[in-house]
Amino acid sequence: SAVISQKPSRDICQRGTSLTIQCQVDSQVTMMFWYRQQPGQSLTLIATANQGSEATYESGFVIDKFPISRPNLTFSTLTVSNLSPEDSSIYLCSVGKGQGASSSYNEQFFGPGTRLTVL
Amino acid sequence: AQSVAQPEDQVNVAEGNPLTVKCTYSVSGNPYLFWYVQYPNRGLQFLLKYITGDNLVKGSYGFEAEFNKSQTSFHLKKPSALVSDSALYFCAVVQGGATNKLIFGTGTLLAVQP
Repeated sequence: SAVISQKPSRDICQRGTSLTIQCQVDSQVTMMFWYRQQPGQSLTLIATANQGSEATYESGFVIDKFPISRPNLTFSTLTVSNLSPEDSSIYLCSVGKGQGASSSYNEQFFGPGTRLTVL
Repeated sequence: AQSVAQPEDQVNVAEGNPLTVKCTYSVSGNPYLFWYVQYPNRGLQFLLKYITGDNLVKGSYGFEAEFNKSQTSFHLKKPSALVSDSALYFCAVVQGGATNKLIFGTGTLLAVQP
């Protein structure tokens, strides 16, 4: 298993500003993921962040809006830029164990989430 | 494309009764299926998974799930519900290929009445 912490746990931001969310894992992991959970909705994958390479973004998500850093094997940040009320969501990071084909067998471990409200 | 469907937005059950939360899947190739639970104001917790082998999978907190290939289903079950089981439950499938990208269902809110 893995223990994951996120900072901040919640924030209220003004339109047009940015918020950076930190994700810290208690062990080294190759794959980290960032998800968005809009109010009353399911989870949507934003991007995959592997250490030493550029993040891979899913359809509908772009680097300019959601820049991601992955400086080492235990830490990542997600920035939500130029905030609008539509960005109000819970943002979760998760980690997956293993690499390549075997990674498909393994469950992900999720952080507690960051609840963002944009006014 | 891989997908999962959870046909029920909410399931209500009395404490002590058996519960079922439904999930059907659509995949090409072998399905890798997962159940997660989300308690209020908390992140997701892994419950169980089906990769291969025995169709009945046992997981955390007394939950189990039955993989049914002919019906393309992976329903979550528990013989006797507890009030503390009340939470949001998500079924998920691996997107495919050499990745563990997860595609989540829409979630089912389980409400267990005392």
